Amino acid sequence: NAGVTQTPKFQVLKTGQSMTLQCAQDMNHNSMYWYRQDPGMGLRLIYYSASEGTTDKGEVPNGYNVSRLNKREFSLRLESAAPSQTSVYFCASTKLDSSSGNTIYFGEGSWLTVV
Amino acid sequence: RKEVEQDPGPFNVPEGATVAFNCTYSNSASQSFFWYRQDCRKEPKLLMSVYSSGNEDGRFTAQLNRASQYISLLIRDSKLSDSATYLCVVRTTGNQFYFGTGTSLTVIP
Repeated sequence: NAGVTQTPKFQVLKTGQSMTLQCAQDMNHNSMYWYRQDPGMGLRLIYYSASEGTTDKGEVPNGYNVSRLNKREFSLRLESAAPSQTSVYFCASTKLDSSSGNTIYFGEGSWLTVV
Repeated sequence: RKEVEQDPGPFNVPEGATVAFNCTYSNSASQSFFWYRQDCRKEPKLLMSVYSSGNEDGRFTAQLNRASQYISLLIRDSKLSDSATYLCVVRTTGNQFYFGTGTSLTVIP
């Protein structure tokens, strides 16, 4: 039962370096999300993709870009990493149909440190 | 104002105790409500959905008060394994999920 898979799990970057976090889900979900979680701040939405071919900014999009490669995959790119982007990143997905009870499923998280 | 607010705690309770967590949300048009559990250095996982009529799952009871925009979670007969952070989650009409900052629970032997 893979669910939501994200890589890498841990990464250390130098300031100014770029990297891409990969995410894939095998639940045939149409919507996918990238969150960051910082102490005392809770989960904050970076970008989301309501369906294949669409992406939208969330609460904290600055310094990030995303690509919804296909229905399964949604990647997050840091073009020029900054220490303020040190965080735990979670990819998530949900089906979001007409039912009101759809829940959101998370990957195991990616721990990113920018030095 | 935050979309979802909850008391961060921490709550330190003895085994067997009953503990209640509360959460308020700001968007009156919110559609779905959930409690998630997050263990240290792990991803959040669904604990239970919250329905208008209230619902129970074993030792866990969730309540929703739409008029007051208030959600609660009651844990009875606390176990050591209940120690975790509990996140209040709200889904809005825009299909966005909003998360509280979490309430930390430690169950003490």
